[in-house]
Amino acid sequence: DAGVIQSPRHEVTEMGQEVTLRCKPISGHDYLFWYRQTMMRGLELLIYFNNNVPIDDSGMPEDRFSAKMPNASFSTLKIQPSEPRDSAVYFCASRRLAGVPGELFFGEGSRLTVL
Amino acid sequence: AQSVTQPDIHITVSEGASLELRCNYSYGATPYLFWYVQSPGQGLQLLLKYFSGDTLVQGIKGFEAEFKRSQSSFNLRKPSVHWSDAAEYFCAVYVGGGNKLTFGTGTQLKVEL
Repeated sequence: DAGVIQSPRHEVTEMGQEVTLRCKPISGHDYLFWYRQTMMRGLELLIYFNNNVPIDDSGMPEDRFSAKMPNASFSTLKIQPSEPRDSAVYFCASRRLAGVPGELFFGEGSRLTVL
Repeated sequence: AQSVTQPDIHITVSEGASLELRCNYSYGATPYLFWYVQSPGQGLQLLLKYFSGDTLVQGIKGFEAEFKRSQSSFNLRKPSVHWSDAAEYFCAVYVGGGNKLTFGTGTQLKVEL
């Protein structure tokens, strides 16, 4: 089976621009998670979906961030407008409902640099 | 709220030497416990997990971890480290409800040849 697929792997943009990160979870997985990794704050959960429905977005830093999951095989994380402090690696992860809670399958991440 | 502490930010070992990475958690009950590994430029991969039963759990790549309730610890071990084990290792705890996996700050492992 293919793993979690994220795109782009690297994104360099200028402050104020819109950024869209994409994720394709593992087929058959019911949960999708977006994490952000920075040196200062480590790994933070931003939002997660269950069966395409956002369940908890309390980790989304501010209104500039939004996430959608229009269907079971695709999710986006959008930042508009972007700021230099948004520079980080953004990970998407998924898991099955029947799986062990906490046993996540991660994509390779999208490294975002905002100049 | 639950928390995870990894006291060692960096560890250097020689290839072939044994390894122990420390992890302590803070939670009243027994949580689900995990170790993940992140190779440079890669996502996180699950090494092993504990949620009940035998307190010594085996994982992939020759790793094992032991859950010690009295010490609130879940240390990761490997008897003989290979150069390819150089990576960052994260301990994580899951507490029922909310689907939130809390990660430690990570331990960067360097392997000297």
